[in-house]
Amino acid sequence: GAGVSQSPRYKVAKRGQDVALRCDPISGHVSLFWYQQALGQGPEFLTYFQNEAQLDKSGLPSDRFFAERPEGSVSTLKIQRTQQEDSAVYLCASSVLSSGANVLTFGAGSRLTVL
Amino acid sequence: LAKTTQPISMDSYEGQEVNITCSHNNIATNDYITWYQQFPSQGPRFIIQGYKTKVTNEVASLFIPADRKSSTLSLPRVSLSDTAVYYCLVGDPLGSSASKIIFGSGTRLSIRP
Repeated sequence: GAGVSQSPRYKVAKRGQDVALRCDPISGHVSLFWYQQALGQGPEFLTYFQNEAQLDKSGLPSDRFFAERPEGSVSTLKIQRTQQEDSAVYLCASSVLSSGANVLTFGAGSRLTVL
Repeated sequence: LAKTTQPISMDSYEGQEVNITCSHNNIATNDYITWYQQFPSQGPRFIIQGYKTKVTNEVASLFIPADRKSSTLSLPRVSLSDTAVYYCLVGDPLGSSASKIIFGSGTRLSIRP
């Protein structure tokens, strides 16, 4: 597609529920990144894929967070047993090359609110 | 890690030139400097990237001194629509350590009529 598409744009979950956030990167982009952005803060790195391989997941805050990109295109970020501190905007970005220092194209984000 | 330091906020008026300076004292030899712009309810958007001296595109200019320990994003003749948060990042475009790309809190630019 022309840009990075994320769905849903808005998600409200009750504490303890599981959520899944989807990212459709730009076709042909090798790299895919997930970021978490709290209100008033800059994006914080969560995880990185090169094609289907998850090369860096050092930013995932707990084992409740899981990401996959099984066919090297669409990616899903799953959060199990959501907590209020998980409320944030989750941004997905893709790039042609294998580094975040290359130009990243971001989606509009998925805003998660945990009640 | 190549950390950056930027002013938290800046104010200016329509039609003025705005310069936002970023410090990156620990920049590595292979690191490039990249600036992103973010509007509310949107993801960051690439503005400009450079390695040294000066880079200019249709949106902005990027000035990088010889020691590369800082850089300045220059926005000519700003308008109200330039009100946004601006992030300065440093990193190696050909490197593989994605987690070393740190956005920081950015500079919140407010443009007034």
